[in-house]
Amino acid sequence: AQTVTQSQPEMSVQEAETVTLSCTYDTSESDYYLFWYKQPPSRQMILVIRQEAYKQQNATENRFSVNFQKAAKSFSLKISDSQLGDAAMYFCAYRKTFHQGGSEKLVFGKGTKLTVNP
Amino acid sequence: DTGVSQDPRHKITKRGQNVTFRCDPISEHNRLYWYRQTLGQGPEFLTYFQNEAQLEKSRLLSDRFSAERPKGSFSTLEIQRTEQGDSAMYLCASSLLGAGGSNTEAFFGQGTRLTVV
Repeated sequence: AQTVTQSQPEMSVQEAETVTLSCTYDTSESDYYLFWYKQPPSRQMILVIRQEAYKQQNATENRFSVNFQKAAKSFSLKISDSQLGDAAMYFCAYRKTFHQGGSEKLVFGKGTKLTVNP
Repeated sequence: DTGVSQDPRHKITKRGQNVTFRCDPISEHNRLYWYRQTLGQGPEFLTYFQNEAQLEKSRLLSDRFSAERPKGSFSTLEIQRTEQGDSAMYLCASSLLGAGGSNTEAFFGQGTRLTVV
C-alpha cells in the first residue's frame, strides 16, 4: 500500500521569506500523481500544485514550486515570498493513475501546519 | 454551481443516535469520494462512487456506515448507532473522469464536523 509521510508537524516563516515543506512517499508504481493541498482554518481543502511522476520537470504555480526527486521518493513544496494568507495546514497526497485501476483515491500525509509571521 | 457543498456543516449527536450527511458535488462530476479526517491527521479514504455505483469501500467503513448516491447526483453518508470514535470531520470530494482516463483534480467541500457526546 502507498504511504505518504510529512515529517514536519509545524513550520513557521516570516512574511516575504521562503519556506520548504517536506514530503516523502512510498510506492512500487512507476507512474502516479503527487499533490499539495492547502486547508485553511474552517475552510475547504484546495489544490496548490500537482506533479505527474512521468514528467521530470518540476511543477510551478506562481509562488509555489516543487522539488520532485523520483528516485528518492521525495516531493517538497517551496513557497516563495510568503504571505499571511498562506497560513494553513498543508497536505501532501499521492494518487495512482487511472490505468492502474481502482478508485484513484488520494492518500494523504498527516499534514504540516504553516504559520506566517508578520 | 460554485463547488462541492456539504450539509450540515456541524452536527452534535448523542451516542447511539443515527446521523446522515449530504454532499452535493460539482454538477458535471461523475466521481464522488468520502473521506474522514480526525484531529491532527490527514483525510482518510472511506468510499467512492462512479456515477451511482459504489465501487470501493475502505476497511474503515464499518457496517454502521452506509453511503448512497442515487441517480449519480448528490450523495448521503449515514452512520448508525454513533460512537464517540466517530467524531471527526467528514469530507466530500468530486472529480470528473473523462474519456481516455484523464481524471481532473478532486474538489473538496467544507466538510461536516461530527461530534458524538
